Amino acid sequence: EAGVVQSPRYKIIEKKQPVAFWCNPISGHNTLYWYLQNLGQGPELLIRYENEEAVDDSQLPKDRFSAERLKGVDSTLKIQPAELGDSAVYLCASSLSDLGQGGDEQFFGPGTRLTVL
Amino acid sequence: KNQVEQSPQSLIILEGKNCTLQCNYTVSPFSNLRWYKQDTGRGPVSLTIMTFSENTKSNGRYTATLDADTKQSSLHITASQLSDSASYICVVTSGTYKYIFGTGTRLKVLA
Repeated sequence: EAGVVQSPRYKIIEKKQPVAFWCNPISGHNTLYWYLQNLGQGPELLIRYENEEAVDDSQLPKDRFSAERLKGVDSTLKIQPAELGDSAVYLCASSLSDLGQGGDEQFFGPGTRLTVL
Repeated sequence: KNQVEQSPQSLIILEGKNCTLQCNYTVSPFSNLRWYKQDTGRGPVSLTIMTFSENTKSNGRYTATLDADTKQSSLHITASQLSDSASYICVVTSGTYKYIFGTGTRLKVLA
């Protein structure tokens, strides 16, 4: 079974440029998460989707970050414009369901390492 | 405030030796606790999951313990291998939908 796929793996851009990351979750997983991970830190949740609905985007900086999950499968995370402080690894994860059980395992993709110059 | 603290921050051991990583949490309500292994340049991979009533769980050379009274967990690695070099992240699930991540312990195993 294929795992969570993310692309690109690496991205280098200049500040003020836009950037987009793509995530394809494990087939059948209806919960999708985007995390930001700084070096030496644990992941921080940006947004969580249940199917196509964003059910928790409280930590998403909405002035420059946006996300979508059309048709409840693939998802795209966008930053426009990027700032120097956005340099980090952006992880996507998926799980079967988060029906309030708090226990479904999250499967993570390899991440996209963003460098903003 | 819900927090997960891990120690040590980093650890270097020789191949074949054992080591123990610590995780202390102040999370309420508590649903479960997971240990993840994150290799450099990869996403985290789940090693173990423990619920409130479980004291210990093993996955090969990895053994996790949980003391729900003191809110402490440990991950013991037996007979370490070079491939164990990674970051180990403790994650506590609080109630519903809320995952609290620790900052991780970076383990380096030397030949």
